[in-house]
This record gives sequence, structure tokens and C-alpha cells, in this order.
Amino acid sequence: EVQLVESGGGLIQPGGSLRLSCAASGFSVSNNYMSWVRQAPGKGLEWVSIIYSGGSTYYADSVKGRFTISRDNSKNTLYLQMNSLRGEDTAVYYCARAKSYEHAFDVWGQGTMVTVSS
Amino acid sequence: DIQMTQSPSTLSAFVGDRVTITCRASQSISSWLAWYQQKPGKAPKLLIYKASSLESGVPSRFSGSGSGTEFTLTISSLQPDDFATYYCQQYNSYFWTFGQGTKVEIK
Repeated sequence: EVQLVESGGGLIQPGGSLRLSCAASGFSVSNNYMSWVRQAPGKGLEWVSIIYSGGSTYYADSVKGRFTISRDNSKNTLYLQMNSLRGEDTAVYYCARAKSYEHAFDVWGQGTMVTVSS
Repeated sequence: DIQMTQSPSTLSAFVGDRVTITCRASQSISSWLAWYQQKPGKAPKLLIYKASSLESGVPSRFSGSGSGTEFTLTISSLQPDDFATYYCQQYNSYFWTFGQGTKVEIK
């Protein structure tokens, strides 16, 4: 079964760091475009970052320079390293697989909540 | 950056109604437009990709159309399971943007 399971969320103080993980099963993260999308409480969806199968990475302007997307092919796991966290980073963070070459996200995890507050 | 504007923000309809949601892009995005359905507390579900291609397993009452800057999602006969929030999403030059969402409520 194709599945994504996120972990690593929690309560963190402003300025702190957190690393999210997304374990994939049923397919290989290294052969797919993998992304992070977030949703602030009661708000809409916001694309955060993507890593292409070739290793290229791209970020939303709101997180550029603070967040880093990466993957561990041996563990079939996607990561999001989040530094210098701000209150506006509070959200449910979803990992998602991009449908090859179609630029749409066809497999989603259940999400992990990140709360940035003192 | 390309902005996506969905309308309406909220829509009230009866079971069996034909429902149309519109998404406009601030500049041309060719056909790189997807539609998602999201229910409370759940992850989004892909319905339509590349403007008009139906994702596998999605009921045929859902359809998408458009290209360039104007796109529509149509539900031909609204079912009880369809009451949810719908988002459009564009891709352009290594950047993805979602619309603000349309909540479909029971009338």
C-alpha cells in the first residue's frame, strides 16, 4: 500500500528548530518528486518546499533560507529541517508525493502539527 | 508570484444540484491546474490534474475544464459525501500556489 507517515511535530519556542520526518511505503522517495505543504489553523493550504528525483530543491519565499528539505534514500524518508521558527509557521505540515510530471500531489500523509509559541 | 483566486468562497447547495467552482490565475499557467477536496481534520485528496484529467478512483461526477487563466471544477450532481472544502492549485516555474478554498455547504 502506498502510504506517507509524518512525525516530529510539537510545541517549539520562537527562534527554535525542529525536524519533521515523512516515512514512505509502497514506493521510493528517491524516484519521485516529494513535497511539504502546510495549513495554518483554520486557513488554506500553502506549498512549502519540493525535492525532485534528481535532487534539485525549491522553496516558498516565506521559508527560503530557514527551511531545508532532504531525503534519506536508504530509509525511504523525507525530511524538513525548520530553523528560526516564527509564530506564522504554526500549522499542520503534510508531506505529499507529486504525480510524476503532472505537478499535482496525489499521495498525502496525515499531517503533523507544529506550534510555535512561547 | 502567481496568485490564484477562487470563487465563491462559500457555496450552499442541495443534494443533486450541479455545482461550479471557478479559479482564476493572475497570469497564464497553461493547463497546470489541479483540484483537491478536503474534509475537516483530513489531508487533501486529489480530484483533477492537468486542468481536466480525472484522478483514478474519483467519481465521474467531478470534472474540470479551462486553460490559461480561467478554470472550473464542476460537480454534476452533488452527493452527501461531497460537502467539503475544495482547493485549486497551480504550478509555474518551480513554484506551486493554492487558491484560498471554496467551502461547499448543505442548503
